Amino acid sequence: GEDVEQSLFLSVREGDSSVINCTYTDSSSTYLYWYKQEPGAGLQLLTYIFSNMDMKQDQRLTVLLNKKDKHLSLRIADTQTGDSAIYFCAESRTGGYNKLIFGAGTRLAVHP
Amino acid sequence: NAGVTQTPKFQVLKTGQSMTLQCAQDMNHNSMYWYRQDPGMGLRLIYYSASEGTTDKGEVPNGYNVSRLNKREFSLRLESAAPSQTSVYFCASSERGLGARSATNEKLFFGSGTQLSVL
Repeated sequence: GEDVEQSLFLSVREGDSSVINCTYTDSSSTYLYWYKQEPGAGLQLLTYIFSNMDMKQDQRLTVLLNKKDKHLSLRIADTQTGDSAIYFCAESRTGGYNKLIFGAGTRLAVHP
Repeated sequence: NAGVTQTPKFQVLKTGQSMTLQCAQDMNHNSMYWYRQDPGMGLRLIYYSASEGTTDKGEVPNGYNVSRLNKREFSLRLESAAPSQTSVYFCASSERGLGARSATNEKLFFGSGTQLSVL
């Protein structure tokens, strides 16, 4: 995951918004993904955005894409304790078969 | 609906021992993958199989071998385990085969992981 960068830790208060940031490197990436990993479990797809979109909203989740700066963010509104997890951003490279490159993950801690 | 099932969940090996991690999916997916997860490094692709009968190297294949036994099963073998292989291993599958990609068919479904320690 060396080419996809995320900050490693974020702490927020319950009810606040969380913003998790990611930078990627391949401007030709077709899709960009956010996966969530809860303790002791595998990753689950949260949402994705196609590279020709600027924003995608899905209930409490908002994904923003700045293709010029290769910057992706995930905003979680009204963050709950159940949102505590590790969030991975991933880019879908076009150079190889289904090559998803993952960031190192951002651990989100939600406190009362 | 089991999804992707991995065994074992935990394993401790001594340096030089061998073992096989098993993975099976019941979603009739074409592609299967093995990743390893290390602290601060995200997930790195070890091997993948785009369809039954084919396997290809990922980013970090050294020290591993794989077998796509049939459409459902994809195993990962460590022939001579080393401490550097201490990691959490995830199997994943996706619908996509050798055709065009889409966000839907590219979506990865993960198993719950195998925590491997090599002493």
